[in-house]
Amino acid sequence: NAGVTQTPKFHILKIGQSMTLQCTQDMNHNYMYWYRQDPGMGLKLIYYSVGAGITDKGEVPNGYNVSRSTTEDFPLRLELAAPSQTSVYFCASTKGGSGANQPQHFGDGTRLSIL
Amino acid sequence: EDKVVQSPLSLVVHEGDTVTLNCSYEVTNFRSLLWYKQEKKAPTFLFMLTSSGIEKKSGRLSSILDKKELFSILNITATQTGDSAIYLCVGTSGTYKYIFGTGTRLKVLA
Repeated sequence: NAGVTQTPKFHILKIGQSMTLQCTQDMNHNYMYWYRQDPGMGLKLIYYSVGAGITDKGEVPNGYNVSRSTTEDFPLRLELAAPSQTSVYFCASTKGGSGANQPQHFGDGTRLSIL
Repeated sequence: EDKVVQSPLSLVVHEGDTVTLNCSYEVTNFRSLLWYKQEKKAPTFLFMLTSSGIEKKSGRLSSILDKKELFSILNITATQTGDSAIYLCVGTSGTYKYIFGTGTRLKVLA
């Protein structure tokens, strides 16, 4: 059972560089999310998607972009990396639909440092 | 603005102690409240609460929701060093929105 898989686990990026954080899930979940977690803080939503071809901004979208071409994959792109984007990034997914929200399934996170 | 507030922010106890973690919420179109445990990596799910007054229990952990007063508590009895973690409270809204608290950092000393 792979669940939600994120790559890479760690990365160091130089200021101004770009990179893509990968996220894939094998549970046929419709809803996918990207969060960042800064030290001592809770998770803040960057972007989310309710299905292939549909994405929307969360609380902190500036400096990021996403795409959702398939149900399984939800990559997060950082353009022109800045030190403020140093954080741990988590991808999560849920089946979605109506009714009480179900617990999210999380990937193990990507620890990103921008120097 | 939707918010979830947890207290205390951090807590240090000795093995065998009982702890109570608090979570208050202001969430429009509230659906459920979730508790997660986060150690080194991803949050792991503990409980989902949707109804007031019904205790959820798993081993030494239990949780309850009060929808009138808008809060939840997570109790851990007979704490062990393996309980050391950050405990996250999450309010859900609508069909897709999850609002995270900042977490309570629990350290259990041997």
